[in-house]
Amino acid sequence: AQSVTQLGSHVSVSEGALVLLRCNYSSSVPPYLFWYVQYPNQGLQLLLKYTTGATLVKGINGFEAEFKKSETSFHLTKPSAHMSDAAEYFCAVDPNTGNQFYFGTGTSLTVIP
Amino acid sequence: NAGVTQTPKFQVLKTGQSMTLQCAQDMNHEYMSWYRQDPGMGLRLIHYSVGAGITDQGEVPNGYNVSRSTTEDFPLRLLSAAPSQTSVYFCASSPIASELIGYTFGSGTRLTVV
Repeated sequence: AQSVTQLGSHVSVSEGALVLLRCNYSSSVPPYLFWYVQYPNQGLQLLLKYTTGATLVKGINGFEAEFKKSETSFHLTKPSAHMSDAAEYFCAVDPNTGNQFYFGTGTSLTVIP
Repeated sequence: NAGVTQTPKFQVLKTGQSMTLQCAQDMNHEYMSWYRQDPGMGLRLIHYSVGAGITDQGEVPNGYNVSRSTTEDFPLRLLSAAPSQTSVYFCASSPIASELIGYTFGSGTRLTVV
């Protein structure tokens, strides 16, 4: 069975501080991994993805994530938070078994001025 | 602009009414899917399709029907609306090889059933 766990449904950081959003997955085969961002009243937008190759992937808006197979993790980071980063973030797994994405329950990021 | 178009953006239904949520994409994506988003539960897959004429159930299919007569369109039908179907509905599409670009999402339909 596939699953995605996002630790922390709400995360608050100060502007300029490090952002760390955690994602762990379970998958019987090497998965494809994604982070999506959702701004209020909007659809989901792809931040970054890992498919194969380099395990540290860079996305839009200064975000990056590292695939760690041994830890089954794909945590999202950004060195310095900006007010515009306030949004809901979803980790997703495509277990490469038939085009079914599995989403985590989301992490709401608040950036404090 | 190319993308996934959902209509309507907002809808209020009375219990027992039926309606169809529309989804269209112009990217020639084979794969299309419907999700519902509820607070604290993330996105849950309702139905999906890997091509015209092919549909399958996701995690929460009860109360919903779909069909895929063309590559572009993937409507979601609520047969007899219930308050438990109050949610935000998202349509998404991708090439079959989703690792190429991931999913493209529509902007959502906010449905309230009273």
